[in-house]
Amino acid sequence: TQLLEQSPQFLSIQEGENLTVYCNSSSVFSSLQWYRQEPGEGPVLLVTVVTGGEVKKLKRLTFQFGDARKDSSLHITAAQPGDTGLYLCAGVWRNNDMRFGAGTRLTVKP
Amino acid sequence: KAGVTQTPRYLIKTRGQQVTLSCSPISGHRSVSWYQQTPGQGLQFLFEYFSETQRNKGNFPGRFSGRQFSNSRSEMNVSTLELGDSALYLCASSPTRISSYNEQFFGPGTRLTVL
Repeated sequence: TQLLEQSPQFLSIQEGENLTVYCNSSSVFSSLQWYRQEPGEGPVLLVTVVTGGEVKKLKRLTFQFGDARKDSSLHITAAQPGDTGLYLCAGVWRNNDMRFGAGTRLTVKP
Repeated sequence: KAGVTQTPRYLIKTRGQQVTLSCSPISGHRSVSWYQQTPGQGLQFLFEYFSETQRNKGNFPGRFSGRQFSNSRSEMNVSTLELGDSALYLCASSPTRISSYNEQFFGPGTRLTVL
C-alpha cells in the first residue's frame, strides 16, 4: 500500500500543452520533495516545499504544497519534449522517515 | 565533486543465490540510504545508514541487510534471492540524516535480474 498516492500514473501530451500531477496522502508531512528521473539515472531533486500553502516556481514548473501539508501538485506550463521523464513525490514524516510515491511517467511528444 | 557511484551497474543471478551491491557516497556525505524501484511498487525505502549505524528501516524481510564502513561507503546484501527481488536498487547519499531540509543525491542504480 502506497502512503503517497500520485496521479495520474501515465501522461502523454503534445508539446505546448499544460499538465498537472498530484501527490496525496492521509498523513501530514514535515516536507515534500519532487524528483525527476530519466532512464538509466537516479532521481534528481527539483524542489522541496516545507510550509503549508507554499508555492515555488522553477522556470515553467510550479509546485504547490497544500495548506494542511497532506498534498502537493506539480504544474508544467507549455510542456517540452525535454520534460519527458518519471516525476516522483517524496514525503518526509517527523521521524526522518521518507516515502516515495509510485511516480507519474510523462511523455511529451514533439 | 564526484557523484554517487554504484557497482555493479547490472547483475544477473539465479534464485537462491545471494548478492552484494556497493555504494560510494559523495565525499563528505555521511548518510547513505537504499531504495528498491520496481514498475509495480515504485521506489521503496530499504534502510538508512549514518555513522556506520542503521538509523531507519523500511518494511522488507530480513533477507535484505546492509552495512556502512568508516569511510561512509555502504554495501547492501540480499540472501536467498527470489524472482520478485528483480529491481533497480538505488543508493542515495546526503551530508546528514534524512530530514525535511536535506537533499538526497542518487546514484544511477544497480539493475538486478533474478532468473
